[in-house]
Parts: sequence; structure tokens; C-alpha cells
Amino acid sequence: RKEVEQDPGPFNVPEGATVAFNCTYSNSASQSFFWYRQDCRKEPKLLMSVYSSGNEDGRFTAQLNRASQYISLLIRDSKLSDSATYLCVVYTGGFKTIFGAGTRLFVKA
Amino acid sequence: GAGVSQSPSNKVTEKGKDVELRCDPISGHTALYWYRQSLGQGLEFLIYFQGNSAPDKSGLPSDRFSAERTGGSVSTLTIQRTQQEDSAVYLCASSPRPSGGNNEQFFGPGTRLTVL
Repeated sequence: RKEVEQDPGPFNVPEGATVAFNCTYSNSASQSFFWYRQDCRKEPKLLMSVYSSGNEDGRFTAQLNRASQYISLLIRDSKLSDSATYLCVVYTGGFKTIFGAGTRLFVKA
Repeated sequence: GAGVSQSPSNKVTEKGKDVELRCDPISGHTALYWYRQSLGQGLEFLIYFQGNSAPDKSGLPSDRFSAERTGGSVSTLTIQRTQQEDSAVYLCASSPRPSGGNNEQFFGPGTRLTVL
């Protein structure tokens, strides 16, 4: 079993739709969680950290469920510019950061 | 300010040759990572440098891979006797604080390595 698993998608949604991605992790001692965004043939960039109480940044909402060991990302009112791959990232302590393989999102006009 | 830079952006080499990939982290960042990303895959951790401490090499896939970081700044990843399975994008990232992965990592644009 992979340490961090994501549905690879792709998710194809129309503009304005709400879409949600889940990510599961296997190490119950994982400490911190992040969502990164990676555009095609570009480097990953931090989208948002995921806090225990859940957090929101504009149209983006991230949540953490420690009991079930998953994190989620909700995108409301999708824009064409949201089309990208979304990487789930789990920090397990020390230096080690585990990246998921990513979920691809296509937003269509 | 300047971000993380990597060179070359693309490298095509023949099987069995050695290659060197370079990373210039953001000035003042103490933590530096190397990752490998194959097509359609996530990032595979290779090696981590923190300041002047000994690097963590636990992610290096074989002894053909090595890396160094001179003066706590520029890093070079060397792959000896390249194999076709080494073909991937090699990404470098730096982070401003010494607590490793618990902070935002700033990535360079990567080096796309193709081994023929």
C-alpha cells in the first residue's frame, strides 16, 4: 500500500462546478498536510496547508480527518485556470515529505 | 526575488554516460531537497540537505546516484552510468527553515533527463 494515495482522475468538470478530491495516508503519526498544485510541465507550488480544524482560502477548502486518515480539497465555482494536477503532501516528521501521485482536474468552458 | 534555478533544463544522454544536474536554491534557504518525477507519477524523494549537517541519502535508488552541496548553497546531483529507467524530471526544492518538510518547499523548474 502506498503511503499517500490519491484518485488520479482525471476529473472533468464544467466552469462553475464544485469538485472535491480526497487523499488517504497510511502513517497515523503523520504530522502536517498540504495541497500543492502542479500545472502541466511546471514545478509544484504550495496551494494551501491543511489544519486540523479545516481551513478555507477563497474558493478552496481543505479538511483533515485524522480518525479515517484522509484529507480533502474542495474547489467551489471552478475556473478554467483551476485546471491542473493537485498533489497531496504528508509530512511524517524529520525531513521526510511524501507526495501523492496527484489528481488531474480539467475545467471546461 | 530570484527563485530556485536548475540547469540544464533538458538533458539527453546515451545509456552508460554520466550526467550532472545543478540546483541553485533561494538565497538563505537552509534546507534543500532533490526529487524525481516520472511521467504521470508523484514525486520520489531522493536526498535532503540541511545546513552543514550530513545529508539524508535514504531515497537514492542506487549507488550510481550521488549528490553534494557546496558551501551550504549550490547542489549537484550526479548520476553515473545512466540507464533508461533514469529518464525523468529531476526537481530541486529549498525551504527557509530547518524543520524539514514541515514548511513550504519552493521548487525549481526541473531538469528533464532523457536517457537513450
